Amino acid sequence: AQSVAQPEDQVNVAEGNPLTVKCTYSVSGNPYLFWYVQYPNRGLQFLLKYITGDNLVKGSYGFEAEFNKSQTSFHLKKPSALVSDSALYFCAVTHPDSWGKLQFGAGTQVVVTP
Amino acid sequence: DSGVTQTPKHLITATGQRVTLRCSPRSGDLSVYWYQQSLDQGLQFLIQYYNGEERAKGNILERFSAQQFPDLHSELNLSSLELGDSALYFCASSVAKGQRGYTFGSGTRLTVV
Repeated sequence: AQSVAQPEDQVNVAEGNPLTVKCTYSVSGNPYLFWYVQYPNRGLQFLLKYITGDNLVKGSYGFEAEFNKSQTSFHLKKPSALVSDSALYFCAVTHPDSWGKLQFGAGTQVVVTP
Repeated sequence: DSGVTQTPKHLITATGQRVTLRCSPRSGDLSVYWYQQSLDQGLQFLIQYYNGEERAKGNILERFSAQQFPDLHSELNLSSLELGDSALYFCASSVAKGQRGYTFGSGTRLTVV
């Protein structure tokens, strides 16, 4: 079975400060990991993914994430947050042999204040 | 525009009724996925179709059914609706198995009154 934990319901950060959204996962074998963002009344937008290779993955809108196998984590980061980054962020995991069913975390609401 | 089209965007219906949600995948994508997003359950995988065949099934109720047609569009049928079925229903599509991620539509917001 695969699972994802996002330990923080909400992250508050001031504009210009670094932003980190935490994610830990559990899956047998090598995971495929994803981050999606959801703006109000919108669908989920893909940010980045880790399949294999470099543990530091760069994605859209200046976001990046670091895959840490020993800690089974895939934290999302942005060096300098913008007010427009305020949204709901989801981490997801799947297994390479699966038929693509993504297991999503509960989501973390990011609030960036001016 | 993600390329995945869902209709209708909003749907209000009464308990006990039946509704059909429609999804057109991104051009070239063969797989379609359905997810339900509710406040208490979060994002739940319902079902996946690949080129017309069911490939994976999640927490889909027996009152719900889906299919993918030869033109690759998909429909999710929800029957005997209950208040608890009120949610945002997302469709997503991918080229093949989808382990490398997929593209979501903007969703259908279903309200059961």
